[in-house]
Amino acid sequence: GQNIDQPTEMTATEGAIVQINCTYQTSGFNGLFWYQQHAGEAPTFLSYNVLDGLEEKGRFSSFLSRSKGYSYLLLKELQMKDSASYLCAVPAGANNLFFGTGTRLTVIP
Amino acid sequence: DTEVTQTPKHLVMGMTNKKSLKCEQHMGHRAMYWYKQKAKKPPELMFVYSYEKLSINESVPSRFSPECPNSSLLNLHLHALQPEDSALYLCASSQAGGAVEETQYFGPGTRLLVL
Repeated sequence: GQNIDQPTEMTATEGAIVQINCTYQTSGFNGLFWYQQHAGEAPTFLSYNVLDGLEEKGRFSSFLSRSKGYSYLLLKELQMKDSASYLCAVPAGANNLFFGTGTRLTVIP
Repeated sequence: DTEVTQTPKHLVMGMTNKKSLKCEQHMGHRAMYWYKQKAKKPPELMFVYSYEKLSINESVPSRFSPECPNSSLLNLHLHALQPEDSALYLCASSQAGGAVEETQYFGPGTRLLVL
């Protein structure tokens, strides 16, 4: 089976850096996804990591450690529009994506 | 076109009504998905179609009936729903539906309220 743990809520200041952690347990690892979801909107794809290390994409970076069952999403130069839920997800077999409960990030001025 | 579209955006229905949710994508994707998402919860997978065939049904009640008329279209027929079925219904698609690492692209969702 799969299990994902993420903090429920985080608050950070505009212009700052925030790290959102995700720990997972899965039978057979096939990568880890991060999605962003604004309130009442669809999740949008941010990143996919399958190898250890940090992948940078503009202001957003995602890190994976397979041996520790751990990933984080790093958001730099925070903007107000980054206020959203950030969902960590792992494949649970073909066609099946298992989502964590998400971390609700609030960016304050 | 990198969009998944869904109609309607909002739907209010009574428990005796029959309605349908529609989803469309023109990215050439061969896998399409229905998810249900309650407030402050993650999306929960309901159905997966791969190459127009139902490949996963996550034990969803029969009052939800999916249909995939072709590789671009996905419907969800609703009948005799309960108030607890009120949620955001998300459609998603992915390229081929066979690889576990495929990225899923989501539509904007239909917000359903059952009275």
